[in-house]
Amino acid sequence: EAQVTQNPRYLITVTGKKLTVTCSQNMNHEYMSWYRQDPGLGLRQIYYSMNVEATDKGDVPEGYKVSRKEKRNFPLILESPSPNQTSLYFCASSPPPLGGAADTQYFGPGTRLTVL
Amino acid sequence: AQKITQTQPGMFVQEKEAVTLDCTYDTSDPSYGLFWYKQPSSGEMIFLIYQGSYDQQNATEGRYSLNFQKARKSANLVISASQLGDSAMYFCAMRERNTGNQFYFGTGTSLTVIP
Repeated sequence: EAQVTQNPRYLITVTGKKLTVTCSQNMNHEYMSWYRQDPGLGLRQIYYSMNVEATDKGDVPEGYKVSRKEKRNFPLILESPSPNQTSLYFCASSPPPLGGAADTQYFGPGTRLTVL
Repeated sequence: AQKITQTQPGMFVQEKEAVTLDCTYDTSDPSYGLFWYKQPSSGEMIFLIYQGSYDQQNATEGRYSLNFQKARKSANLVISASQLGDSAMYFCAMRERNTGNQFYFGTGTSLTVIP
């Protein structure tokens, strides 16, 4: 089954304790991305990756790191989490834009993070 | 400037009626794709419909259709014959093809279907 998986699904942590949210896709997609969703703000892109070893900042990259060492994996790292990073996080993947409905993103189930 | 604007934070519709969710976009790229996603209360993001910038006809997928007005840069989602299960958040999004690097999302519209 084609899917994007994220772990953990729920996480409560404390300020300053480093954490990693994993993301993996089995569709051989080149493009992967991380978003955060906050009430009233929609989805905002944190980082994206066009392929292995190719990452770039989205709209809200501060406080986050990513890496893309393998095509299928795109972990999100919070080196020193703060309460303002409490949010719902989505990982997504897609093929390159060729024009058509297949350009859509496939989303993981989301990770609800609470930083105390 | 906002790339995607959804001006309706919340909408109500009577069951079996049609409803239009508004979306305007901003781009100078002549080649782009527009997407609508549904997010039910369970949280997952569900792809609904796609419209390409060069598509001559409005996209349709079952009860969903996209009212694409290119000159006005609008891509409104029309849901016909609303059902209780349509109650959800709806997001409009855009992907510019020449960059292809970023998806831009609107802030969403919360739709409630009233029995």
